[in-house]
Amino acid sequence: NAGVTQTPKFQVLKTGQSMTLQCAQDMNHEYMSWYRQDPGMGLRLIHYSVGAGITDQGEVPNGYNVSRSTTEDFPLRLLSAAPSQTSVYFCASSYSGQGDDIQYFGAGTRLSVL
Amino acid sequence: AQTVTQSQPEMSVQEAETVTLSCTYDTSESDYYLFWYKQPPSRQMILVIRQEAYKQQNATENRFSVNFQKAAKSFSLKISDSQLGDAAMYFCAYRGRNNNDMRFGAGTRLTVKP
Repeated sequence: NAGVTQTPKFQVLKTGQSMTLQCAQDMNHEYMSWYRQDPGMGLRLIHYSVGAGITDQGEVPNGYNVSRSTTEDFPLRLLSAAPSQTSVYFCASSYSGQGDDIQYFGAGTRLSVL
Repeated sequence: AQTVTQSQPEMSVQEAETVTLSCTYDTSESDYYLFWYKQPPSRQMILVIRQEAYKQQNATENRFSVNFQKAAKSFSLKISDSQLGDAAMYFCAYRGRNNNDMRFGAGTRLTVKP
C-alpha cells in the first residue's frame, strides 16, 4: 500500500528558481494538504484542498501555489524560490479533513534554497 | 487563532519507565479535537492517539494514554513502559470541529535511555 507519496525526497534550488513538489495518494481521500516544518515551530499549513477543483489557503500561503485537477494529486509550486522557503515539506491526506479524521502523511521533502 | 504550546523542547526517560509530555492550547471553541503525532528519525508522521473534546473519558491506545483537562486546556500524553522505539519527536495538534486547519505545537524530542 503506497499511501501518500511525495517526490522528490531532497532538493536544492538557487534563489529565483521554480519547482514543483509532487504529492499523490491512492486512498481516494477528498482532503489533501501541504505543511512546512521548521525547527522549533512544528508544522504549519500552507494550502489545502477539500476535493478536485477546490483549494484554499492555510496559515502560511505566500510564495506557494497549488491546484487539484484530480483526487489523487496535489502538487505544490514554488514560482520563485527564496531562502526563507528552506524547510521540510509534508503532504497529507484524509477522508474529510475535519473532526477526528486521521491525516496520513508522506515522508517529506527536504528543500534547501541557496 | 488557536495556538498549541508544548513547553518541553526535550525530555528523556529510562527504558521501561513512564514519561509524560505536556501540551496546552488556547481556543474559544467548545467542540474540537486533539491529537498526538509521533515523528521518528525517518520523518514519517504517525498518529499516536486522538481525543474528542466532548468526551470526558481519556483516550488510551495500548501504552499511550492522555490526561485531558478541558477547563485547563491541557492535553498531556503519558507513555508507559517506555521502549527504545518510542524515541522520536512528539507533536500535539488541535483541530476545531468544522475546521480544516490543524494547528501543531513546536514538538517535544523524547530520548529513551537503555
